[in-house]
Amino acid sequence: KNQVEQSPQSLIILEGKNCTLQCNYTVSPFSNLRWYKQDTGRGPVSLTIMTFSENTKSNGRYTATLDADTKQSSLHITASQLSDSASYICVVSRNAGNMLTFGGGTRLMVKP
Amino acid sequence: EAEVAQSPRYKITEKSQAVAFWCDPISGHATLYWYRQILGQGPELLVQFQDESVVDDSQLPKDRFSAERLKGVDSTLKIQPAELGDSAMYLCASSPRTGRTQETQYFGPGTRLLVL
Repeated sequence: KNQVEQSPQSLIILEGKNCTLQCNYTVSPFSNLRWYKQDTGRGPVSLTIMTFSENTKSNGRYTATLDADTKQSSLHITASQLSDSASYICVVSRNAGNMLTFGGGTRLMVKP
Repeated sequence: EAEVAQSPRYKITEKSQAVAFWCDPISGHATLYWYRQILGQGPELLVQFQDESVVDDSQLPKDRFSAERLKGVDSTLKIQPAELGDSAMYLCASSPRTGRTQETQYFGPGTRLLVL
């Protein structure tokens, strides 16, 4: 069964600290993996997208890693800001890339 | 920057009533998706359009849900009759049809539905 599991479900950190979110998947055949940020009451916004051959990709303070052998990905947030408070969703594509499986998300809260 | 538009942003209705949501994708995007997102969970695909044709509606509860994209541009999702369990965020997304596997889906702000 094609599944995407994220951990932790929720996380609270202090402003300025770093954090890492995890994503494990069993989706096959793998096409690409994306991380989305979803602010409360808003639609998801793409942060990064990685294909099979990419191990890491950065977008400002966000750095995503991918280990296609172990089917794991992580999203590292550096020097967190209050505006980073949101849900972060891991999405894995299969086949031609438009068949998506969504993780349940990690809800991050950054406190001052 | 072009965005996916959705309306209304919020909708409160009583069970057994009919509701309709509208989505206008980014101009030129051939693929349009409707998702349902229950609070605390990831989005679940309801229906996918390629131009005006339905590509995937396997997860759409067809006894009460319907979706159309008559001219291959904007789309409407309807629920009739609404049930309490339909309370959720309904997200619309679009993507260009370029054939690249790295196409990103661009999401609209969503319509939050509450069924009383």
